[in-house]
Parts: sequence; structure tokens; C-alpha cells
Amino acid sequence: KAGVTQTPRYLIKTRGQQVTLSCSPISGHRSVSWYQQTPGQGLQFLFEYFSETQRNKGNFPGRFSGRQFSNSRSEMNVSTLELGDSALYLCASSPQGALNTEAFFGQGTRLTVV
Amino acid sequence: GQQVMQIPQYQHVQEGEDFTTYCNSSTTLSNIQWYKQRPGGHPVFLIQLVKSGEVKKQKRLTFQFGEAKKNSSLHITATQTTDVGTYFCAGTRGSTLGRLYFGRGTQLTVWP
Repeated sequence: KAGVTQTPRYLIKTRGQQVTLSCSPISGHRSVSWYQQTPGQGLQFLFEYFSETQRNKGNFPGRFSGRQFSNSRSEMNVSTLELGDSALYLCASSPQGALNTEAFFGQGTRLTVV
Repeated sequence: GQQVMQIPQYQHVQEGEDFTTYCNSSTTLSNIQWYKQRPGGHPVFLIQLVKSGEVKKQKRLTFQFGEAKKNSSLHITATQTTDVGTYFCAGTRGSTLGRLYFGRGTQLTVWP
């Protein structure tokens, strides 16, 4: 069974640009969550999608958005990039959404904003 | 604010010493999960605890869930260099299905 796949693995963008990250969950998993990881802040929850609907949302500005497609693949978008958006973005999938089930993480996308 | 507190943030031990990390939640949790992230890697699931007072063991690792389901601990006996990494606890709440509340993690360094 293939794991969670995130693309691209590495990305360099300039301030003000926008970026789209992609996540393909494990086959059969309907829940996809996104996290931002930085050395000082740990794993910060962005949002969670289940069956194409945003079910949970963290405390990030509206520049951060996401969506989920009918095949459960998910994308997140960050507009008007800031230097502080430089981080490792992790996607995690689970069968029904983390309640009583483990989350499977992808390798992450390392975003650098210059 | 931070809903799951985890301490310590860093721990440096000599190989063979024991290690413990603690998690505390401001609210009752449905379950608690533990993850390990190796340097340069991604979090990997270790275990899940569901019942009040539950204790589970995996070789040298012992996991506990508090009676009130608000705190948890991970204890490693006789650490090895392969234990190096960051250990995260993550709780779920029945009122927010689908969301994991992560602690900030404890970064463990093991000196040979």
C-alpha cells in the first residue's frame, strides 16, 4: 500500500508570490490534515478535510486555504507569501479523521520564502 | 492557546539513562496518541491509548494515560542512540472529530 505522497518536496518562492502544495493520501483514507512545522512552534494545525468538506480549521490567516477533491487528494494554497511562511508543511491522512485511528504523515514539503 | 502542553522541550541523556516526557491537556481527551519524528523525517505513529489509566508497553517504551484522561507520559528505559528524535503527544476530543491536538514535542538527544 503506497504511503502519503506530498509534492513537491522542496520549493523556493519569493515574497508576495503564491504557492500550491499537493497531498495524495493513502488509498481509502477520507480525512486529510495539514500542518505547518517550524523549529520554534512545533506542529501547528492548519485545517482538516473530510469527504471534500473542511471539517476543522486552525488559527491561520485567510492567506492559507485548502481543498479536497473527490478522490481525497488535497491541495493547500498560500497566497501573498511572507518570510515567516518558510516551514515544513506536512500532510497527514487517516481513514475517518484521527478519532481512534492513527494519522499517517507524508514526507512534507519544505517551503523557503526569500 | 496551546491546548496540550508537553514537557520538557529538550532532554539530553547519556546512553543507558532513562527518559520521560509528559503531556497535559486543559480538557478531557477521547484518546492520546504518541508519535516519533527522527531528525529530517516526518512524524511516525507509535501508539494510541484510549482507556482511563491505561498503560501500554513496547519493548523499552512505556506509555500511560491518566485516570482523568487529561495527561499522559512516555517513559523510555535504558535509552539507546536509536531513540534520538522528537516525541510528540497528540490528543483527540469528541467535540472536534478529525482533529489532533499536538503537544510541542520533546527533542531527545542521546550521547553515546
